[in-house]
Amino acid sequence: DTAVSQTPKYLVTQMGNDKSIKCEQNLGHDTMYWYKQDSKKFLKIMFSYNNKELIINETVPNRFSPKSPDKAHLNLHINSLELGDSAVYFCASSQTGSMYQETQYFGPGTRLLVL
Amino acid sequence: AQSVTQLDSHVSVSEGTPVLLRCNYSSSYSPSLFWYVQHPNKGLQLLLKYTSAATLVKGINGFEAEFKKSETSFHLTKPSAHMSDAAEYFCVVSDGNSGYSTLTFGKGTMLLVSP
Repeated sequence: DTAVSQTPKYLVTQMGNDKSIKCEQNLGHDTMYWYKQDSKKFLKIMFSYNNKELIINETVPNRFSPKSPDKAHLNLHINSLELGDSAVYFCASSQTGSMYQETQYFGPGTRLLVL
Repeated sequence: AQSVTQLDSHVSVSEGTPVLLRCNYSSSYSPSLFWYVQHPNKGLQLLLKYTSAATLVKGINGFEAEFKKSETSFHLTKPSAHMSDAAEYFCVVSDGNSGYSTLTFGKGTMLLVSP
């Protein structure tokens, strides 16, 4: 069984569109994350949710809005897509989110291409 | 603030020869350190982690890393490279400064393995 899953795996869309990426974890973890990996492979945290509450919100345009309907799901909605949003987006989860020694488990990534 | 420097963007080895991927970190607190691997078009997989127990950490697929506080290093090694080791490797630091599990990634080292 896949521990952290994301859909879709690939997403190609036009500038100005609105799109969503879904993430689900079946590990029973309390905390979920969204990361962005740019074209140079650099990974950076975007958001973190603990039990449906936002705990980390890095400097991200407000066109990006995470939504957590329950602690097993963290979706990412992006409005008015721009060329610079093209990247790979990774979802991750960890047990509590409050222990810095915790392992974060990553999903397979969603490759977003904005044309 | 925490940071990670991966000293080599690319490392090339021949199959059967040793692998050394270098990582230096900066942290104001006692950090946890991780190595993750990303195979082409795949997600991130944890290789190993250091959490203030034994300084020599053994991971999956024959990899190990040694935490050296005096040198602020956490280099990844493997005695004998295999073709399947070709991938991008990320050194990651997390400390207790923020009160949350916050990963800071290095820029990655691409390991190339030739026959």
